[in-house]
Amino acid sequence: DQQVKQNSPSLSVQEGRISILNCDYTNSMFDYFLWYKKYPAEGPTFLISISSIKDKNEDGRFTVFLNKSAKHLSLHIVPSQPGDSAVYFCAASPNYGGSQGNLIFGKGTKLSVKP
Amino acid sequence: EAGVTQSPTHLIKTRGQQATLRCSPISGHTSVYWYQQALGLGLQFLLWYDEGEERNRGNFPPRFSGRQFPNYSSELNVNALELEDSALYLCASSPPLGNTGELFFGEGSRLTVL
Repeated sequence: DQQVKQNSPSLSVQEGRISILNCDYTNSMFDYFLWYKKYPAEGPTFLISISSIKDKNEDGRFTVFLNKSAKHLSLHIVPSQPGDSAVYFCAASPNYGGSQGNLIFGKGTKLSVKP
Repeated sequence: EAGVTQSPTHLIKTRGQQATLRCSPISGHTSVYWYQQALGLGLQFLLWYDEGEERNRGNFPPRFSGRQFPNYSSELNVNALELEDSALYLCASSPPLGNTGELFFGEGSRLTVL
């Protein structure tokens, strides 16, 4: 039973264009969401996060949007660069009495940005 | 500041053997998490330790076990290895409870079971 779903295994985008990665979740107890980026042979690295009390968080070229009613979040990368090519994981964190606990990850979306 | 370190980088075992993987968290971090990434799958949560206690456990059989030491380093043990245990095992750490949820990952230990 997947609580965090990334339905697109891969995405190909032209350099300079927008990349949109999507993520759906099923558990309404999740109150914090994160995106991680992973290059081959490396551990995942934190990219951007959003609390459930917000609907948007922006950090440079990266913006995460949260639609709680739809249980959906998306990561926008504008403009996309070849160095953004990686696997992107969406993750959700349940609230354990006010503190965050283990993250639940989606299966990832492999983004390829073509020059 | 050193990041999360894991050892060994690669480990090859045969079916039925035991594997031990080790993790040192970032200095000051008290929580350690273990995840499994099998080929073609996402990161599956295995175990979470904080202050030496097991806080949560993922949907894995009891032959997956671990512990956290007083210096907050951790060990993951996999007994009676099966072929499907072949995967990248990732360790992550986080500051004491009350953090925002961000985990800091090591580069992983690649376990191959023949």
